[in-house]
Amino acid sequence: AQRVTQPEKLLSVFKGAPVELKCNYSYSGSPELFWYVQYSRQRLQLLLRHISRESIKGFTADLNKGETSFHLKKPFAQEEDSAMYYCALSGSKNGNQFYFGTGTSLTVIP
Amino acid sequence: ETGVTQSPTHLIKTRGQQVTLRCSSQSGHNTVSWYQQALGQGPQFIFQYYREEENGRGNFPPRFSGLQFPNYSSELNVNALELDDSALYLCASSLGVATNEKLFFGSGTQLSVL
Repeated sequence: AQRVTQPEKLLSVFKGAPVELKCNYSYSGSPELFWYVQYSRQRLQLLLRHISRESIKGFTADLNKGETSFHLKKPFAQEEDSAMYYCALSGSKNGNQFYFGTGTSLTVIP
Repeated sequence: ETGVTQSPTHLIKTRGQQVTLRCSSQSGHNTVSWYQQALGQGPQFIFQYYREEENGRGNFPPRFSGLQFPNYSSELNVNALELDDSALYLCASSLGVATNEKLFFGSGTQLSVL
């Protein structure tokens, strides 16, 4: 069964500390992996996708197919990183259906 | 370039009623997907429309139905509302149906079923 697991509902780190938001997935095929973010009073928006291999706002994510993980990392957290983060995967088995995790609420403490 | 807009922002209905939610896609996007987000959960896929045809459906009963119009605006209809239908309904448009497409979300419609 297709599933995205984010084990931490809440995560707090101090400003300047490294942050890692965990994401594990299960999918019978080759999925595309994404991180979406929702800042306070804003709509859900794409942060990054693994196919682009990009760094956005200092965040990176590496797809580890062996561990079926796609953890989001940033070496030095900033206060403006406080938000809700959703890991998501998409596959072509049923339209372009996205499966979202339950989200991790990140708080960066000044 | 306009973003994805949804209406209404909030809605209160009673059990057994029917509801229609509306979405206007971002300019140039021919694909729209609808998601249900219950409190404390991630968005859950309801269905997707591509060029006015249903292009995939999640694990939702037939009383959840949709339409996409030639101008790429869309509707989500829910019949025989149940208490568990109370949730935030999100519309997301994209340029196409490739698996690596970026989704552009609306702000959602908060539906409360009493």
